[in-house]
Amino acid sequence: AQSVTQLGSHVSVSEGALVLLRCNYSSSVPPYLFWYVQYPNQGLQLLLKYTTGATLVKGINGFEAEFKKSETSFHLTKPSAHMSDAAEYFCAVTTNTGNQFYFGTGTSLTVIP
Amino acid sequence: DSGVTQTPKHLITATGQRVTLRCSPRSGDLSVYWYQQSLDQGLQFLIQYYNGEERAKGNILERFSAQQFPDLHSELNLSSLELGDSALYFCASSVAPSHGFGELFFGEGSRLTVL
Repeated sequence: AQSVTQLGSHVSVSEGALVLLRCNYSSSVPPYLFWYVQYPNQGLQLLLKYTTGATLVKGINGFEAEFKKSETSFHLTKPSAHMSDAAEYFCAVTTNTGNQFYFGTGTSLTVIP
Repeated sequence: DSGVTQTPKHLITATGQRVTLRCSPRSGDLSVYWYQQSLDQGLQFLIQYYNGEERAKGNILERFSAQQFPDLHSELNLSSLELGDSALYFCASSVAPSHGFGELFFGEGSRLTVL
């Protein structure tokens, strides 16, 4: 089975500062990894995904994440936070034979002006 | 706009009642997933359907049931409602997963309040 752990349920950064949201996964087979963002009163929207190939993946709104197999991590970063980045972020894992997506508990990002 | 449509957006009902939530997946998507999001339990997977058949089951209560119809829309039925069922219910769809994966596209959710 797969699972995801997101360290830090709440993260606060200043506008213009680096955003780092942590995600560690557990999977006995090669994982497919996703980051989703949820703005208030909206559904989840895909930010980026890793399936195979390049381990550094770029997503929308300037976000990127790096798949590190040795660390079983898929941390989300953005060089410079913007006020509009304030939202809930979810990491998720599945596999190429799996039917289920396993979501982390989410990280709420606050951007301080 | 993800292309996934959920109705109703908001629903207020009383304990003991029954409600039906509806989901229309993106055009061409055969898989439909239902999730429950509450403050204390995060995003919980309930059930998945693929082309009309149940494919995977998660933490779905016996009071809850779902189905996917031939036109691929899905309904989640919640009965004997309790206060603790108050939550945001999401539907998500994905392309026919030939290898078991496909990113999920989420609807905007149905917010259920049980009084």
